[in-house]
Amino acid sequence: LAKTTQPISMDSYEGQEVNITCSHNNIATNDYITWYQQFPSQGPRFIIQGYKTKVTNEVASLFIPADRKSSTLSLPRVSLSDTAVYYCLVASYYGNNRLAFGKGNQVVVIP
Amino acid sequence: DAGITQSPRHKVTETGTPVTLRCHQTENHRYMYWYRQDPGHGLRLIHYSYGVKDTDKGEVSDGYSVSRSKTEDFLLTLESATSSQTSVYFCASNTGDSNQPQHFGDGTRLSIL
Repeated sequence: LAKTTQPISMDSYEGQEVNITCSHNNIATNDYITWYQQFPSQGPRFIIQGYKTKVTNEVASLFIPADRKSSTLSLPRVSLSDTAVYYCLVASYYGNNRLAFGKGNQVVVIP
Repeated sequence: DAGITQSPRHKVTETGTPVTLRCHQTENHRYMYWYRQDPGHGLRLIHYSYGVKDTDKGEVSDGYSVSRSKTEDFLLTLESATSSQTSVYFCASNTGDSNQPQHFGDGTRLSIL
């Protein structure tokens, strides 16, 4: 399973755009890049997923460069409720669907 | 996620006792998973199922067994609980189709004294 590397933690002020990076140098051709958000006492919640270039949904954008060895999750205008741990994963959804969670990135939004 | 429920949500038990955690999903997903989450380790896969009566081991399967007799239910059993199995346990499910993400329950906090 491809490994990912993320910063351990980061702080951001309310209302700012937050960009969270993830490195995945050994990503395979069939791998997708998926981001989850986890609040205390809750299970991880799917945010966004992509294969290449840019993906946008109602809560976030995901930027993937051409070499796919990294990705950036962008959260526009964060609020205090966006304080959470964010996990980046790469996984192939062909075969056994196994995911490898790293330690995630603790994002703290400050008033 | 609304489609996955775990029970119980909290449990305290003693070393050596058997414990069964239940995961129930209403999405008709083919795949189901059990993870444990511990400080400093993130989430680690214990076992997963790719269909009724079809299961396989994850990276931390020792001391755990699973069963799946119906599509909607996936049970995790600790035959003889140990203190090292104190953790938060999460269940997840997905269709198993290409690029379909896993959806998680809200976890069971298990304390073994």
